Amino acid sequence: SQQGEEDPQALSIQEGENATMNCSYKTSINNLQWYRQNSGRGLVHLILIRSNEREKHSGRLRVTLDTSKKSSSLLITASRAADTASYFCAMRTGANSKLTFGKGITLSVRP
Amino acid sequence: GAGVSQSPRYKVAKRGQDVALRCDPISGHVSLFWYQQALGQGPEFLTYFQNEAQLDKSGLPSDRFFAERPEGSVSTLKIQRTQQEDSAVYLCASSLGRTGFGQPQHFGDGTRLSIL
Repeated sequence: SQQGEEDPQALSIQEGENATMNCSYKTSINNLQWYRQNSGRGLVHLILIRSNEREKHSGRLRVTLDTSKKSSSLLITASRAADTASYFCAMRTGANSKLTFGKGITLSVRP
Repeated sequence: GAGVSQSPRYKVAKRGQDVALRCDPISGHVSLFWYQQALGQGPEFLTYFQNEAQLDKSGLPSDRFFAERPEGSVSTLKIQRTQQEDSAVYLCASSLGRTGFGQPQHFGDGTRLSIL
């Protein structure tokens, strides 16, 4: 079963706009990670946020984590056509090394 | 350096045949993971190795699935007597450390398995 649920399922924006994607989860986590997957390719790690952190930045990416609401958001600022991909949140629960992924969000950035 | 390499990229097999999928992790990476990704879904965990030890195989769907990593580097996922529901992309990932403490996973491009 998949613990994470992303919202929305699909997002279409114009180049230059910001994209916000949300992830909700069910049980306590050790850390939460966001990955990107281009069509026909493997997943690429974007950013990791630990359960004791509330916000992290990496370039044009900003991730927030609200453990009280069991939710996280990924913000991509000034989007580019190359950001078109599927985005997944993944949870690592406690000392267990498994990653549990959501179903993903399909982001389309129109040139 | 080279990333995670998987072969073959595509595999077509007839129902009932056995298949073997190979994963070459990043050199020096201790942890290795296998995932199954159905179309339009996120990856689902299959099994986890720390060096040559298979520490978690709870995600393997049946005893037809078998994975090994005999020398702690290259890993093979074997599926016996394949069935149509085995059709999926099989992803391999590796990470440097021994456990999940803030270790991003590095994924290969996967093997797309189609069972006819």
